[in-house]
Amino acid sequence: DAGITQSPRHKVTETGTPVTLRCHQTENHRYMYWYRQDPGHGLRLIHYSYGVKDTDKGEVSDGYSVSRSKTEDFLLTLESATSSQTSVYFCAGGGLYNSPLHFGNGTRLTVT
Amino acid sequence: GESVGLHLPTLSVQEGDNSIINCAYSNSASDYFIWYKQESGKGPQFIIDIRSNMDKRQGQRVTVLLNKTVKHLSLQIAATQPGDSAVYFCAEPIIQGAQKLVFGQGTRLTINP
Repeated sequence: DAGITQSPRHKVTETGTPVTLRCHQTENHRYMYWYRQDPGHGLRLIHYSYGVKDTDKGEVSDGYSVSRSKTEDFLLTLESATSSQTSVYFCAGGGLYNSPLHFGNGTRLTVT
Repeated sequence: GESVGLHLPTLSVQEGDNSIINCAYSNSASDYFIWYKQESGKGPQFIIDIRSNMDKRQGQRVTVLLNKTVKHLSLQIAATQPGDSAVYFCAEPIIQGAQKLVFGQGTRLTINP
């Protein structure tokens, strides 16, 4: 979805280093989400935002934090990356209940 | 709790045939379902959705059927093409107000020439 842009698309980092993934949207979505996708687990929600400066945890939030200082941008931070955080991360945006989310093309993160 | 599951992890069909991908859900109160397609190296792409007040909804070459009695939905793809090769997910939101989606594991659809 061209309305959701993630950067970087690929990143390799070392254990213990901080990492920030960026999500930028041009669709004026109120809600934004970070998911991770792993073999055998599918897509799992990390954190989401329901407005500027309003965020909440998902099912796999440990080790992650998020920030949303403006509608367009939603940042995911790994304060101290671990090998278990090697994954593909997807950002999504959407509106209210009973409407689909729209996803970016993901960031592949490898923690060595 | 809520869960969304897919019956088969893989499905192979001949080009031009119809494909049917199934999904079961556990929460009888679920009132909205979404199908996504994910191609290699890309994010999930919205295909079609359906609300619980409907039994069937059609899009371009795709149809979603909802059977609330047995808590089952299916995605039918007509006249499959090579470009239909992808992983297909069903998903449902688990709370109102924020669209927190729960995804099934996915079915990988392979189109044979």
